[in-house]
Amino acid sequence: GAVVSQHPSWVICKSGTSVKIECRSLDFQATTMFWYRQFPKQSLMLMATSNEGSKATYEQGVEKDKFLINHASLTLSTLTVTSAHPEDSSFYICSAREGPTGNTIYFGEGSWLTVV
Amino acid sequence: ILNVEQSPQSLHVQEGDSTNFTCSFPSSNFYALHWYRWETAKSPEALFVMTLNGDEKKKGRISATLNTKEGYSYLYIKGSQPEDSATYLCAFSPNTGNTPLVFGKGTRLSVIA
Repeated sequence: GAVVSQHPSWVICKSGTSVKIECRSLDFQATTMFWYRQFPKQSLMLMATSNEGSKATYEQGVEKDKFLINHASLTLSTLTVTSAHPEDSSFYICSAREGPTGNTIYFGEGSWLTVV
Repeated sequence: ILNVEQSPQSLHVQEGDSTNFTCSFPSSNFYALHWYRWETAKSPEALFVMTLNGDEKKKGRISATLNTKEGYSYLYIKGSQPEDSATYLCAFSPNTGNTPLVFGKGTRLSVIA
């Protein structure tokens, strides 16, 4: 089946620094990828929809200047958490739809971010 | 705001028991209902994508039903095994096209040997 790879799995960074998380579709082209964040005991919450070759669409309340999303190719989307603060510590996970209207959405393994 | 509710939040069963849990979702603007199994440190694994009212899907010992008119889906596991221990997520896909999924909080299943 389709595979989505997310890297890194774990990252610890100092407050004020930036962290980049990569999401790759390994065996299919993903015109759209989705970035979610999950806080303890909460649902996966959509942060933004990443469209290849165009600007990401951010959900209400998500700062686009803080969470930079780049989707420069059909197989790679990146999320950069800029000027990270401890409250940004969370679980971040990406997903990708196979094809523009495919029913199945595949997930990466997720990334645990801890800002100290 | 679209709301997807899953119950129970967590469940402990003995090996060999059959179990089921519920996902409730908005009954309007329905496109698809997804079930995922999410084991610790792994990617969520797609189990089922259901689109038709009354649909029933099966994968081994796991099956799911769908009622789009009343907005609920059941996931059943027959003869639970320890390897079934995971968080089961349901996600609602509204409308058509390239829309993101709306997730419930999941049901955490623990199967005790």
